[in-house]
Amino acid sequence: GESVGLHLPTLSVQEGDNSIINCAYSNSASDYFIWYKQESGKGPQFIIDIRSNMDKRQGQRVTVLLNKTVKHLSLQIAATQPGDSAVYFCAEKGYGQNFVFGPGTRLSVLP
Amino acid sequence: DTEVTQTPKHLVMGMTNKKSLKCEQHMGHRAMYWYKQKAKKPPELMFVYSYEKLSINESVPSRFSPECPNSSLLNLHLHALQPEDSALYLCASSQGGGRRGETQYFGPGTRLLVL
Repeated sequence: GESVGLHLPTLSVQEGDNSIINCAYSNSASDYFIWYKQESGKGPQFIIDIRSNMDKRQGQRVTVLLNKTVKHLSLQIAATQPGDSAVYFCAEKGYGQNFVFGPGTRLSVLP
Repeated sequence: DTEVTQTPKHLVMGMTNKKSLKCEQHMGHRAMYWYKQKAKKPPELMFVYSYEKLSINESVPSRFSPECPNSSLLNLHLHALQPEDSALYLCASSQGGGRRGETQYFGPGTRLLVL
């Protein structure tokens, strides 16, 4: 399940299940979006990106969905593995602007 | 290769010390960035260098001084820091030059502790 509070939102999933991490972005002018994975003690690692002229993009075991109408971005991870445990950040960007990062979601994979 | 390297990995310094953080990339990227990240928070942009010129300074205190000696290197000089400056300092780079070059790749970061 998902919990939101004073701490980083956490999503707990069983190993082998699919994970869906959500992100609400703020700027309707944003036209480029990236999902990053950050493991403990490491820098953010690029996972997948999408431009606003698309609503879906697939990578290896990951899919990003973009709903511009409600300014919502999601990251789907298929067959979640222990190595997927990390904090996931979405980042949005408009042309000529800097990236703005979302607050992050911690994904915890249960054995 | 999408590697950005940073040294040192860890740094402990006193409030009167002067130290420097280093970042290097050999991807031919022309934009480089410094971010600060506090625990359980997203990265916050500090500085942007584009084609070796400082293009953005996000109201960062002068005790942080960036330098871009060439297109592959980025330094962050630290002087008279405060304990609240303790954080993970991340370097990133992107190709630059328009929409195709927007993707930013991050280094592993330098964990800084100011005593």
